[in-house]
Amino acid sequence: GDSVTQMEGPVTLSEEAFLTINCTYTATGYPSLFWYVQYPGEGLQLLLKATKADDKGSNKGFEATYRKETTSFHLEKGSVQVSDSAVYFCALRKAAGNKLTFGGGTRVLVKP
Amino acid sequence: DAGITQSPRHKVTETGTPVTLRCHQTENHRYMYWYRQDPGHGLRLIHYSYGVKDTDKGEVSDGYSVSRSKTEDFLLTLESATSSQTSVYFCAISEGAVATGELFFGEGSRLTVL
Repeated sequence: GDSVTQMEGPVTLSEEAFLTINCTYTATGYPSLFWYVQYPGEGLQLLLKATKADDKGSNKGFEATYRKETTSFHLEKGSVQVSDSAVYFCALRKAAGNKLTFGGGTRVLVKP
Repeated sequence: DAGITQSPRHKVTETGTPVTLRCHQTENHRYMYWYRQDPGHGLRLIHYSYGVKDTDKGEVSDGYSVSRSKTEDFLLTLESATSSQTSVYFCAISEGAVATGELFFGEGSRLTVL
């Protein structure tokens, strides 16, 4: 079945450091890929998405590129802030359905 | 913010008791979902609905049932709660694949089964 694997956290960084969170997926066909973010005490909210190979999603300084050859969708940000402290989830959606399959989540802690 | 309300937000109950969680939306979206969130497992789909009275199972549906008698409400029922069902439950809604496919999430319901 479909699955998403992302690096385990927590990831602890200093402010202004570079952030990378790895995400790889297993799925047949051509899924859409998403990154969701969960701030403390809140539900998930969409951060960015990509619907086909080589698409780059971007939002709030975060970027991720859909790499079909490596089945990856790694999340990056060049300079993190304390407010970026959250749990980040990678997810996929198959073209034939409207259900999301999530990875295990990566907790990021940014220290001043 | 998407108009999604989950109730109750927190509940403590005992093993063997029935529990119903409610998700209410004001967006008139067709799709509604129940996920559970557990450390190390991310979010796992319990059940989902693609219309009134149309529901289907997700990957962790054992021990749960759902009902959707109105577009705006999606109920999740634990007929006889067990300690393994201690979790945070999230409701989500979506316009569907013809739109962006984006899911909008509620704030979660924390359930503790003693």
